Amino acid sequence: GAVVSQHPSWVICKSGTSVKIECRSLDFQATTMFWYRQFPKQSLMLMATSNEGSKATYEQGVEKDKFLINHASLTLSTLTVTSAHPEDSSFYICSAISTSNQPQHFGDGTRLSIL
Amino acid sequence: QKEVEQNSGPLSVPEGAIASLNCTYSDRVSQSFFWYRQYSGKSPELIMSIYSNGDKEDGRFTAQLNKASQYVSLLIRDSQPSDSATYLCAVNEDYKLSFGAGTTVTVRA
Repeated sequence: GAVVSQHPSWVICKSGTSVKIECRSLDFQATTMFWYRQFPKQSLMLMATSNEGSKATYEQGVEKDKFLINHASLTLSTLTVTSAHPEDSSFYICSAISTSNQPQHFGDGTRLSIL
Repeated sequence: QKEVEQNSGPLSVPEGAIASLNCTYSDRVSQSFFWYRQYSGKSPELIMSIYSNGDKEDGRFTAQLNKASQYVSLLIRDSQPSDSATYLCAVNEDYKLSFGAGTTVTVRA
């Protein structure tokens, strides 16, 4: 089946640090990748949609200058949380699809803790 | 506003019983529907996809879709303790997924 790899799985860092999370599709070309955030006891909230070679589309309320997304190839997208603060602490999950009607396959997620 | 609603949990079932999960959606043009399982602290894992009306069976899981009623369900037969998780209903709308809030299932041994 489709495999999506996400790194790192766990990050603990000081307030003000920028953190980069990588999402890779290992066995298929991902035309579109998605970034979600999930707070405890809540469902997934879509942050942005990223297509290879173009600018990401951010959901309402998500700051594009704080959450930088780069989708440089058909197998790699990165999310950079710039100048992270404790309120950015969350579970960040990426997913990828090859065609629009196919199910999204999720990475293992990155648990971000900002001290 | 596009919405996906799931029956509120938690749902507790004895081992060996059938767990029944329901989901309704608001967007009539949706064509793809998915059930994901999410264990605590883990990312969602796809367990079923369904695209046309009727039933689709995969092992102990059966998904049912009724587009006229805008309803999709998931049955888990012979529930096992390892099925204890949160189940997310997801509806594909313009290639983005809208998720329900999830139903937490606990299977009692």
